[in-house]
Amino acid sequence: GQNIDQPTEMTATEGAIVQINCTYQTSGFNGLFWYQQHAGEAPTFLSYNVLDGLEEKGRFSSFLSRSKGYSYLLLKELQMKDSASYLCAVRGAGGSYIPTFGRGTSLIVHP
Amino acid sequence: NAGVTQTPKFRVLKTGQSMTLLCAQDMNHEYMYWYRQDPGMGLRLIHYSVGEGTTAKGEVPDGYNVSRLKKQNFLLGLESAAPSQTSVYFCASTNRGNQPQHFGDGTRLSIL
Repeated sequence: GQNIDQPTEMTATEGAIVQINCTYQTSGFNGLFWYQQHAGEAPTFLSYNVLDGLEEKGRFSSFLSRSKGYSYLLLKELQMKDSASYLCAVRGAGGSYIPTFGRGTSLIVHP
Repeated sequence: NAGVTQTPKFRVLKTGQSMTLLCAQDMNHEYMYWYRQDPGMGLRLIHYSVGEGTTAKGEVPDGYNVSRLKKQNFLLGLESAAPSQTSVYFCASTNRGNQPQHFGDGTRLSIL
């Protein structure tokens, strides 16, 4: 089975930096995804990590440590529109490409 | 390019009624999934399909059935709706490898 843990809620100030952590315990590992979901909308893809290290995409970066079962999503220069839920999803072993989602972290950005 | 389209977007049912949710994708994806999303519970996998004519159970399959008669369509059926099935349902699709899932806009289903 798989167990994925994220903080339920975080708050931050516009212009600041925030780090959202995700820890996981899985039987095998085939990649970790981060998705953003605004209220009432569908999740949209942010980043993918399969090897250890940092992946950077503009204001968003994602880090993975497979040995520690740990990832984080780093959001820089926060904007009000970044207020959303951030979902961590881990793809385990096997060929069915079935990711397991964490419960999501609700980020509230204040002016 | 429409991506993943779900119909209907909203529906209210009475307990015991049946209905089918339709998911259609135009990206020629092999894999399709049905999730439900409830407050505080994240996305939970109901059923999935790894190709035309195949289906498999996910984490919470009870009370639901699915069919994938055509590669582009994945249907989710509720034979006898229960209030516990009130939720937002998302369909997603992807191909093999490290590709992310593409999600539909969701179906908001209320069962009274």
